[in-house]
Amino acid sequence: SQKIEQNSEALNIQEGKTATLTCNYTNYSPAYLQWYRQDPGRGPVFLLLIRENEKEKRKERLKVTFDTTLKQSLFHITASQPADSATYLCALDLTGGYQKVTFGTGTKLQVIP
Amino acid sequence: EPEVTQTPSHQVTQMGQEVILRCVPISNHLYFYWYRQILGQKVEFLVSFYNNEISEKSEIFDDQFSVERPDGSNFTLKIRSTKLEDSAMYFCASSGAQGAGYTFGSGTRLTVV
Repeated sequence: SQKIEQNSEALNIQEGKTATLTCNYTNYSPAYLQWYRQDPGRGPVFLLLIRENEKEKRKERLKVTFDTTLKQSLFHITASQPADSATYLCALDLTGGYQKVTFGTGTKLQVIP
Repeated sequence: EPEVTQTPSHQVTQMGQEVILRCVPISNHLYFYWYRQILGQKVEFLVSFYNNEISEKSEIFDDQFSVERPDGSNFTLKIRSTKLEDSAMYFCASSGAQGAGYTFGSGTRLTVV
């Protein structure tokens, strides 16, 4: 069956360090992959999208990599700040169109001052 | 920055009653979605809508659910006869062009008693 796996354990890191979150998927061939941030009681907020033919994408302190051979995406936040504390979700498109994305369970990040 | 607006923010309803959740997507977006999130669980796809018809729906989206875009600005989700297990946060989202990601609303918390 198709699965999207993110670290279910919360990730605690010290302020100023780089946080690295992992998204693994099985039995999918996504056309692209998205990363979102979700704060408690709020809707997901879109951060970055990376396509299957792209290896890396950057936006300010954020970096996403996409390895279609390993079926894995890594999400990095450099120089992390307490305000980065949230749950981060990866979401996969399966069709290359816009019918839907399927979300992973998310990883809760806590940045400790 | 453009927003997706959802109303009401919280709705309490008796089991068996009909509810309508309302959304105003971003005005120039073409693709519309409903997702839900049961407390403590992942964000789950319900339905996508494009060109005035359903593009795809999940197994959750059974005959009790329907969507409508009645006037070119609103996008509604109707649950005909609510069940206790329909209690969740319901998120509306829209997207515009390839590579843009989805913009989510703040959600409607539905409580069925």
